[in-house]
Amino acid sequence: ETGVTQTPRHLVMGMTNKKSLKCEQHLGHNAMYWYKQSAKKPLELMFVYNFKEQTENNSVPSRFSPECPNSSHLFLHLHTLQPEDSALYLCASSQEQRGGTLTDTQYFGPGTRLTVL
Amino acid sequence: AQKITQTQPGMFVQEKEAVTLDCTYDTSDPSYGLFWYKQPSSGEMIFLIYQGSYDQQNATEGRYSLNFQKARKSANLVISASQLGDSAMYFCAMSAGGYQKVTFGIGTKLQVIP
Repeated sequence: ETGVTQTPRHLVMGMTNKKSLKCEQHLGHNAMYWYKQSAKKPLELMFVYNFKEQTENNSVPSRFSPECPNSSHLFLHLHTLQPEDSALYLCASSQEQRGGTLTDTQYFGPGTRLTVL
Repeated sequence: AQKITQTQPGMFVQEKEAVTLDCTYDTSDPSYGLFWYKQPSSGEMIFLIYQGSYDQQNATEGRYSLNFQKARKSANLVISASQLGDSAMYFCAMSAGGYQKVTFGIGTKLQVIP
């Protein structure tokens, strides 16, 4: 496997279900991200993990719960979602320097298309 | 606050012709980075090109070039010799005021006509 992979690619769930999205990066990066992409809206940053520590949480509802067990894996646990949570969820990774630089390009996975019924 | 504006919801281009996708940005940070990504119908966001605010020359990557006009706050993407595989959504993005906080535009859908 190369780059950033995400599973599953498609997910349909009811509002009472619990499911998890998985992301794995094979680039040796140390930062990982979750984004939400809804139709006709810009990408929304949800969570950022630097060196396995969560450093950003953009006011995301608690029904979304991230987990980063190591620098290569990132999960998004879902429970009691709403229909408006239906979207494409994209994972990304980058190599962040301590102190940061602006050239730390983010590389994305193919996304999970989530439908909440 | 950072803002990216892409005013072209959709564009058509003839195969083998060049096309320019517009992007304007707004930030008060003197140091920032500008990115372009391509998103085919499969969903993956593919990184194309990067331009730093202090870079003296316009960035180029193969058939992609970034027309950076700092005074006008524009960062247009130029694709030369369009191919059918270039049909996709294209997103302009910026990092500023916190290097990991990337702001994306709403995208431009490009369709290449045979």
